[in-house]
Amino acid sequence: QVQLQESGPGLVRPSETLSLTCSVSGSSITSYYWSWVRQSPGKGLEWIGYIYYTGDTNYNPSLKSRVTISLDTSKPQFSLKMSSVTAADTAVYYCARGYCSSAHCPQGYYFDYWAQGTLVTVSS
Amino acid sequence: QSVLTQPPSASGTPGQRVTISCSGSSSNIGDNYVHWYQQFPGTAPKLLIYRSSQRPSGVPARFSASKSGTSASLAISGLRSEDEADYYCGTWDDSLNGPVFGGGTKLTVL
Repeated sequence: QVQLQESGPGLVRPSETLSLTCSVSGSSITSYYWSWVRQSPGKGLEWIGYIYYTGDTNYNPSLKSRVTISLDTSKPQFSLKMSSVTAADTAVYYCARGYCSSAHCPQGYYFDYWAQGTLVTVSS
Repeated sequence: QSVLTQPPSASGTPGQRVTISCSGSSSNIGDNYVHWYQQFPGTAPKLLIYRSSQRPSGVPARFSASKSGTSASLAISGLRSEDEADYYCGTWDDSLNGPVFGGGTKLTVL
């Protein structure tokens, strides 16, 4: 079955760069949108961005200046880099598989598989 | 503040039918499908309903959803104690050009 697994440091210093990787198994990379979503403590879900299997990216405008998502189809895995982090970036970060069929895209875009999430704390 | 508006809490007794609402605008719910996610404490969200009313394999028929205009709702019939969780609605937002979520509704089974 489809499995996603995040890896990366759980503690990042303020002003530094947060780096996370998501390993994918049980799924083809093609035809999906490989995504990052975060959830601040006690808060709701916030979409960070995604990378399509073609390499095309789309980021949340509120984070776009600080975020880069890349894809390594050979492993396969995809990564998140978020620069200049502050305490406000402390959250559980999820990688997820996004999908929409050709007949319902993007209006039918949804997340069908999620990793278990990793807590990233920004603190000195 | 989340783009989509959900009540922070909902409750019901076992066997009861409960509904959770999700309100948006013409740039998101009004023009796109709505999806629902279930999240237990300390775990990842799980897809519960997609494209406004479709259930993934394995999701009981007790869970249903609908959409009308710029609002959507999730209904849970025959409420069970194991349904106690947080529920999030999500959709695509044409203005943001990306997916958005509601703030989540904590369902308590009394």
